[in-house]
Amino acid sequence: DGGITQSPKYLFRKEGQNVTLSCEQNLNHDAMYWYRQDPGQGLRLIYYSQIVNDFQKGDIAEGYSVSREKKESFPLTVTSAQKNPTAFYLCASSGRQYPYEQYFGPGTRLTVT
Amino acid sequence: DAKTTQPTSMDCAEGRAANLPCNHSTISGNEYVYWYRQIHSQGPQYIIHGLKNNETNEMASLIITEDRKSSTLILPHATLRDTAVYYCIVRVAQTGTASKLTFGTGTRLQVTL
Repeated sequence: DGGITQSPKYLFRKEGQNVTLSCEQNLNHDAMYWYRQDPGQGLRLIYYSQIVNDFQKGDIAEGYSVSREKKESFPLTVTSAQKNPTAFYLCASSGRQYPYEQYFGPGTRLTVT
Repeated sequence: DAKTTQPTSMDCAEGRAANLPCNHSTISGNEYVYWYRQIHSQGPQYIIHGLKNNETNEMASLIITEDRKSSTLILPHATLRDTAVYYCIVRVAQTGTASKLTFGTGTRLQVTL
């Protein structure tokens, strides 16, 4: 089945630790995205990548880092510099075909204590 | 991207049509209206999009007013599985580039027996 996988579904970390969230897609999409969602809120864009070895900051990139070494993979690292890391993190991808809709993964719920 | 306004919540009886409004009075001529929905604790799912003509697919219908300042998503026979948060997003359909989406807080649709 084609789609986006995120692992793990739930992640717990202690404050001060960096943590990396995995995102893999087999849709052959060029573009990939990371969003953050807080309770009762919409999604906010953290980083996005249009192509391998290229990525741009979104609206709330501070405290996060990404890499795009392979087309299929776009891991997100939540660093200790992120002040409120507890949130629901969603990865998405989109292709070059109209209507350019984004396909989302199931999300990772990160809890930092 | 143009700002959208949606009601915070709506109820609908199962089997009846659910009509979800969206106001986008500042929409530009090259901006499309996209609808996504997010079932609790899952990633958003693309539903439908349109530019100025009404659109229909297997999931829903989209009615866009002639002046394009508002639109309505119609789920013709709502079921309990349609309970979700529905997001109306206005954006330019960019070719060959990453398509940034700006999510508001959406409309929480509750379908009841």
